[in-house]
Amino acid sequence: QTVVTQEPSLSVSPGGTVTLTCALNSGSVSGGYYPGWFRQTPGQAPRTLIYNTNTRSSGVPDRFSGSILGNKAALSITGAQADDESDYYCALYVGSGIWVFGGGTRLTVL
Amino acid sequence: EVQLLESGGGLVEPGGSLRISCSASGFTFSNYGMTWVRQAPGKGLEWVSGIGNGGGERCYADSVKGRFIISRDNSKNTLYLQMNSLRAEDTAVYYCVKQRWPAFDYWGLGTLVTVSS
Repeated sequence: QTVVTQEPSLSVSPGGTVTLTCALNSGSVSGGYYPGWFRQTPGQAPRTLIYNTNTRSSGVPDRFSGSILGNKAALSITGAQADDESDYYCALYVGSGIWVFGGGTRLTVL
Repeated sequence: EVQLLESGGGLVEPGGSLRISCSASGFTFSNYGMTWVRQAPGKGLEWVSGIGNGGGERCYADSVKGRFIISRDNSKNTLYLQMNSLRAEDTAVYYCVKQRWPAFDYWGLGTLVTVSS
């Protein structure tokens, strides 16, 4: 069974930089898993931030960037702002049309 | 402007069936694959099912395979999810998501399905 793991929670200071990661239990994450990143605030629908590892969705500021870091997908947020406080999810394509989401990271800005 | 409007959610008893819909506008529906993603109360996102733009390619998460059927009517710009043999663990908000490979680029607001007696 494919399991995608994210940090349950992270914190960042206003103006600081934080990196969220997305790991695969069966091995290394590469571009072939087409990592995507999504942000969700309580009571709202998710919004796509990044797709295909490092492509920003329309309207997403360049403070958000995606990459492969070692054997994981990563989302970096620079110049953190109070309204970046959200739940962040990654998703990986595991083949045959199937995607698997990570459990999410709750980001606190304090 | 892309809009995805889910409907058809509600309360259903365990073992029952329900069909939810997603009405799409603002883009050429027949050109894009579509996906259902769900979120149980207080939990994370779970990919449920996807369908190709022509409807011929369908795939399912193991948790719903054999119970749920995804379909689409390109003449009505509508995506469906037929949910059978519903269980308490299927209780969730179901989101309709437009795909532009390899992106999930637009999300609907979701419809709540509650499975309870």
